[in-house]
Amino acid sequence: DGGITQSPKYLFRKEGQNVTLSCEQNLNHDAMYWYRQDPGQGLRLIYYSQIVNDFQKGDIAEGYSVSREKKESFPLTVTSAQKNPTAFYLCASTLGGTVYNEQFFGPGTRLTVL
Amino acid sequence: GQQLNQSPQSMFIQEGEDVSMNCTSSSIFNTWLWYKQDPGEGPVLLIALYKAGELTSNGRLTAQFGITRKDSFLNISASIPSDVGIYFCAGQPGAAGNMLTFGGGTRLMVKP
Repeated sequence: DGGITQSPKYLFRKEGQNVTLSCEQNLNHDAMYWYRQDPGQGLRLIYYSQIVNDFQKGDIAEGYSVSREKKESFPLTVTSAQKNPTAFYLCASTLGGTVYNEQFFGPGTRLTVL
Repeated sequence: GQQLNQSPQSMFIQEGEDVSMNCTSSSIFNTWLWYKQDPGEGPVLLIALYKAGELTSNGRLTAQFGITRKDSFLNISASIPSDVGIYFCAGQPGAAGNMLTFGGGTRLMVKP
């Protein structure tokens, strides 16, 4: 089945540790995105990548880093510089290069920093 | 940056009632998307709209792309308990490759 997978579903880390969230898609989509969602809030864009080996900062990139070495993978690292990392993280992808911009989302990773 | 105002923020309705929610923007959008998010899950795309005035249905859901290109609404008819969740609108402001802007969400609660 084609889709987007995120792992793990739940992640606990101690304050000051870096942590990497996985996002994989087998939809052959060009563009991938990372969003952060806080309780009762909408989605805020962290980073996005429209092509392999290229990515851009979104609205809240400080304290996060990404890489896009393969088309199907877009991991997000939450660094110790992120002051309030506890949140629900969503990865999305879209075909790209067309006028249709439907983004499809993964199931999310809930990160809790203790 | 772009802002989407989504209302209402929450609704508590009786099973069987119809529901209406909308999104408005201060600027023009070329695409409107409506998503539903269940608790602890990722949003799922419900309806996509690409032309001003377009009216599209998906089962009991109907969405319209406003003529001014600055608004969209989503209606749910004859609500059922599994309609519970958060509904998000999202708009794409320009040409292909532009980022989506998301509304703040409408939390729907249905009383059996």
